[in-house]
Amino acid sequence: EVHLLESGGGLVQRGGSLRLSCATSGFTFTKYAMSWVRQTPEKGLEWVSGISGGGGDDTYYADSVKGRFTISKDNSKSTLYLQMDSLRGEDTATYYCAKETAMIGVPLFDQWGQGTLVIVSS
Amino acid sequence: IVLTQSPGTLSLSPGERATLSCGASQSVSRDYLAWYQQKPGQPPRLLIYGASTRATGIPDRFSGRGSGTDFTLTISRLEPEDFAVYYCQQYGNTPLSFGGGAKVDIK
Repeated sequence: EVHLLESGGGLVQRGGSLRLSCATSGFTFTKYAMSWVRQTPEKGLEWVSGISGGGGDDTYYADSVKGRFTISKDNSKSTLYLQMDSLRGEDTATYYCAKETAMIGVPLFDQWGQGTLVIVSS
Repeated sequence: IVLTQSPGTLSLSPGERATLSCGASQSVSRDYLAWYQQKPGQPPRLLIYGASTRATGIPDRFSGRGSGTDFTLTISRLEPEDFAVYYCQQYGNTPLSFGGGAKVDIK
């Protein structure tokens, strides 16, 4: 059974940093692309960043986080990360890690974690 | 691509038919349009992809159709567990985007 477990969320001051982790199990981590998607009651779901699978390390970012967030992964630990720097109030959200389907290059998410809440205070 | 979902809220009774719409600001490439269901305190769950293909384990009361800029999700007969929020997502154009969601609640 596939499991995705996010951690690392919390309260941080504006301008600060946080590192989110997503520990995975139940599938061959190296084969699949992964993404971070965030959600707020006001803006709904927003894709944040993605990283390719299949041994590649291509990374992708939404314009809203480009230059501030960095996605990475540790294949030996089957874990996905999101380093978030220069945090802003509008980054306040629940952050989900999501596994993409087996269709290469198709950002469609068939498994999601339970999410971790990030609150950026002023 | 901006996805606009309607109606915002649909109030229905169990056993009734629910039809949700998702309109795209431009044509969705290859009709790469998905639907997700989300219940309170849970992450989204993939229901439909490719506009009309049910994901693994999704009951056949859920169906999707449409192409280009207009898509619909139909729940033929609402079960108690179907009352939730539904999101469309396009993944054919970069960057991928989600609709604002549509809530199906109990009348």
